[in-house]
Amino acid sequence: AQSVTQPDIHITVSEGASLELRCNYSYGATPYLFWYVQSPGQGLQLLLKYFSGDTLVQGIKGFEAEFKRSQSSFNLRKPSVHWSDAAEYFCAVGARGATNKLIFGTGTLLAVQP
Amino acid sequence: DGGITQSPKYLFRKEGQNVTLSCEQNLNHDAMYWYRQDPGQGLRLIYYSQIVNDFQKGDIAEGYSVSREKKESFPLTVTSAQKNPTAFYLCASSSPGDSHLVVFGPGTRLTVL
Repeated sequence: AQSVTQPDIHITVSEGASLELRCNYSYGATPYLFWYVQSPGQGLQLLLKYFSGDTLVQGIKGFEAEFKRSQSSFNLRKPSVHWSDAAEYFCAVGARGATNKLIFGTGTLLAVQP
Repeated sequence: DGGITQSPKYLFRKEGQNVTLSCEQNLNHDAMYWYRQDPGQGLRLIYYSQIVNDFQKGDIAEGYSVSREKKESFPLTVTSAQKNPTAFYLCASSSPGDSHLVVFGPGTRLTVL
């Protein structure tokens, strides 16, 4: 069965510092991989996605993520965090099949200190 | 602009009452989904529909019902059988041609008193 683990429930970083949010998945083959961001009380916005090809993917707002098959990971990174990045971040996997169902991790809440 | 509309944003109901959450999309997407979000639990799939007049249960369908009479609309009814209905509900849609790109609505926060 597919599953997604985000081991960090809550992370605090200083503005301007680098950021890495961890995501590990369990799936029998190479899945589709996604990172979404959610501001309080809002829907989810897609940051980036991995389907195939280059394992380092670029997204919006200066985020990137790297797919590492050997580690079953898809960690999200940003070199310099802005106060507006404070939000909750969700990693998700999708099966390569007929449906677009996504399995989500439990999320990482990011706080940014001035 | 294309997108997903969920109404209302906040909904209050008394315990024992059924309540229907609205979801409308103008993206011409074939598939639509309902997710439930609780603090610390991420998003869990309630129901999904890949085509009009067809839908399947997700991981936590008990106490919920849906219909898909039109491509644009996928309403969710939270019945009195749902033991803990207070949550944030997110509707989403996708098109197979967009390689699993799922678009989310703004959500409805349901509080059962």
